[in-house]
Amino acid sequence: KAGVTQTPRYLIKTRGQQVTLSCSPISGHRSVSWYQQTPGQGLQFLFEYFSETQRNKGNFPGRFSGRQFSNSRSEMNVSTLELGDSALYLCASSLAGEYYEQYFGPGTRLTVT
Amino acid sequence: QQQVKQSPQSLIVQKGGISIINCAYENTAFDYFPWYQQFPGKGPALLIAIRPDVSEKKEGRFTISFNKSAKQFSLHIMDSQPGDSATYFCAAYGSGNTGKLIFGQGTTLQVKP
Repeated sequence: KAGVTQTPRYLIKTRGQQVTLSCSPISGHRSVSWYQQTPGQGLQFLFEYFSETQRNKGNFPGRFSGRQFSNSRSEMNVSTLELGDSALYLCASSLAGEYYEQYFGPGTRLTVT
Repeated sequence: QQQVKQSPQSLIVQKGGISIINCAYENTAFDYFPWYQQFPGKGPALLIAIRPDVSEKKEGRFTISFNKSAKQFSLHIMDSQPGDSATYFCAAYGSGNTGKLIFGQGTTLQVKP
């Protein structure tokens, strides 16, 4: 079974721009969670989607948003990028009912200049 | 109450030795405790996990010890190998907080040959 895939793997953007990151979960997994990983703050939860609905949200500003499609693929969007948004963005997928057992993709490395 | 505290921040062990990483939590609503292993440039990989009704779980060279009364759990890597050199994260999950893993700050393990 293919793992979680994320595209693009690397991205360089300028302050003020917006960016969209994509995540394809493991086949059959319907829950997708997003995390931000930085050296200073570690791994922090952004939000979780199931059946195209956001069920949980972390403590991030409204510039961070996401969505999920009917095939469980998910996207996250960051608008008005700031230098502090530079991070590794990870998505994780899990089976319905087993939301605790999360499998991560390789991440998208976002650099904001 | 939502924090998971992990120690040590870094660890150097000789090949064949035992690596021990500790984590502590406060929220008694947590009901699933996974450990993840992350290599540079990769996403975290689920290594082993435990529920609070079990005091120990072993998978190969990896063992989780869980002390519910002390709200602490630890990862033991027996016969540590250079290939185990990676960053290890403990995490906690509460069923009432759908899709959200709360991570410790991570431990960078170096196994010297």
